[in-house]
Amino acid sequence: DQQVKQNSPSLSVQEGRISILNCDYTNSMFDYFLWYKKYPAEGPTFLISISSIKDKNEDGRFTVFLNKSAKHLSLHIVPSQPGDSAVYFCAASAWLEGGGADGLTFGKGTHLIIQP
Amino acid sequence: KAGVTQTPRYLIKTRGQQVTLSCSPISGHRSVSWYQQTPGQGLQFLFEYFSETQRNKGNFPGRFSGRQFSNSRSEMNVSTLELGDSALYLCASSLVGLAGGRPDTQYFGPGTRLTVL
Repeated sequence: DQQVKQNSPSLSVQEGRISILNCDYTNSMFDYFLWYKKYPAEGPTFLISISSIKDKNEDGRFTVFLNKSAKHLSLHIVPSQPGDSAVYFCAASAWLEGGGADGLTFGKGTHLIIQP
Repeated sequence: KAGVTQTPRYLIKTRGQQVTLSCSPISGHRSVSWYQQTPGQGLQFLFEYFSETQRNKGNFPGRFSGRQFSNSRSEMNVSTLELGDSALYLCASSLVGLAGGRPDTQYFGPGTRLTVL
């Protein structure tokens, strides 16, 4: 049972245009969300995060939007660059009773391909 | 500052054997988390160690275990290997990990690719 779903295994975008990567979740206890980027033969690299008390977080070319009612978040990359070609993972964590956060639950990833 | 290192990078074992993977976190980081990545299931959380104690555990059988040493280095052990254990095992370190209430930024190592024949 996938609690974090990235329904697009791959996405192709032209250089300079906007890339939009989507992520849906089912666990209403999730309250913190992260995006990671992964190149082949490397571990994932943290990109950007958002707390459930916000609906938008921006960092340079990367913006994450959170729609709690729809249990949906998206990552926007503007403008897309060739170096953005990678696999992007959406991850979520839940606040645990007694304090602390649960381990991260990851989606299966979306392979973003930026075409020149 | 050196990143997270994992050894070995590649490993081939046969069913029924056991395996130990090693992770050295970034200097100063006290939390080490382990993840399993497979094509079918994606990245799945195994467990987290902080100050030599297992603090969080994912939904994996008892064959998967780990430990952390006083220098924060961590090892993960899988006993009685099964074909389905073939995966990329990723280790991630962070300053204080998950106890702070918000997931501390985790820095991942390159992973150990385990193949079980």
